[in-house]
Amino acid sequence: DAGVTQSPTHLIKTRGQQVTLRCSPKSGHDTVSWYQQALGQGPQFIFQYYEEEERQRGNFPDRFSGHQFPNYSSELNVNALLLGDSALYLCASSFRGEEKLFFGSGTQLSVL
Amino acid sequence: GIQVEQSPPDLILQEGANSTLRCNFSDSVNNLQWFHQNPWGQLINLFYIPSGTKQNGRLSATTVATERYSLLYISSSQTTDSGVYFCAVTVTGKLIFGQGTTLQVKP
Repeated sequence: DAGVTQSPTHLIKTRGQQVTLRCSPKSGHDTVSWYQQALGQGPQFIFQYYEEEERQRGNFPDRFSGHQFPNYSSELNVNALLLGDSALYLCASSFRGEEKLFFGSGTQLSVL
Repeated sequence: GIQVEQSPPDLILQEGANSTLRCNFSDSVNNLQWFHQNPWGQLINLFYIPSGTKQNGRLSATTVATERYSLLYISSSQTTDSGVYFCAVTVTGKLIFGQGTTLQVKP
């Protein structure tokens, strides 16, 4: 039973570029949430997708957008990258919005 | 919004020692979870514990919801216990994390 998988594991971009991160949820899960974890901090909620719609959003600008596909996988897009966007981006999945989440290993994004 | 505070921020132990990590939260919550983040960045769910006490091997957790705190106990620590421990509460479907406790267990 595959857990939550994320790709790529590491990514280096320059300021102003755009990036797309990908997540496949755990088998049987239909809800995907994205979190941003800056160095030395706890993860911060970005948004949650269920039934291909954004259901909840944290305090992040519109440069952060997402998508969920019919197979429940998800993408996180960040436009006009800033140095401050450098962080570990974590994807978590659950079933029907249950509170117990399963996390992937994350994508480490570095913006130079 | 709700605040989640963890203490201590850093902890260094010798292998075999016991430790207690604390998590305080500023408002009533329906649930609380403890996670261990391994060196590769993955968050592993240790306990889902809105109240009461649970045990899993050398780890146990207690949440006293009326007093707004939770404790994570690690007994007979091992080097593999090293990493960052987070507590998190659920607010309207999203997790609010504390800042974490970084644990280093020395052989």
